[in-house]
Amino acid sequence: DAGVTQSPTHLIKTRGQQVTLRCSPKSGHDTVSWYQQALGQGPQFIFQYYEEEERQRGNFPDRFSGHQYPNYSSELNVNALLLGDSALYLCASSLVVVRNTEAFFGQGTRLTVV
Amino acid sequence: AQTVTQSQPEMSVQEAETVTLSCTYDTSESDYYLFWYKQPPSRQMILVIRQEAYKQQNATENRFSVNFQKAAKSFSLKISDSQLGDAAMYFCVLNTGGFKTIFGAGTRLFVKA
Repeated sequence: DAGVTQSPTHLIKTRGQQVTLRCSPKSGHDTVSWYQQALGQGPQFIFQYYEEEERQRGNFPDRFSGHQYPNYSSELNVNALLLGDSALYLCASSLVVVRNTEAFFGQGTRLTVV
Repeated sequence: AQTVTQSQPEMSVQEAETVTLSCTYDTSESDYYLFWYKQPPSRQMILVIRQEAYKQQNATENRFSVNFQKAAKSFSLKISDSQLGDAAMYFCVLNTGGFKTIFGAGTRLFVKA
């Protein structure tokens, strides 16, 4: 089992550009959550996808959008990049039906906006 | 609003000693789950221990145990016989059963040989 895989591992973009980050959940998991972790801080919840729909969203602007595919993989898209979007983006997968389920995390994508 | 507060940005412990990391939280829900996650320099977030709010018994996983005080909304993590591999960022996490999970700001643990 490969666990949660994220791609790419590192990315450098210019202000104003758009970026797409990808996540493949752990085998058997149906829910994907995305987090933004600024340097030295805890992860901040962006949104969560289940059954190809955004189920809940954190306090992030509409520039942040996502998608979940029928195979449960997910994408995070960020438009009109700002310098403040530079962060580690973490993807976590879990099983929605198990309320105290452990979330498995990927190693993250380090996004640098210059 | 649901919040998680970790008041110790950094902690240090001697190898083989015991250290306790503090966490307080706030939620209006009566049914929720609490977790401690560890994030080593490799960035991979790893579950350390979990606690269901309806269970009064404190969770234990080998050298890791929690002190869960529901009335005080406190959830501290005790690491016994600390090892060099325990050095990492530790996050206290609250899940109220919905789709949103709240992380604390983290405590960086240093382990001295």
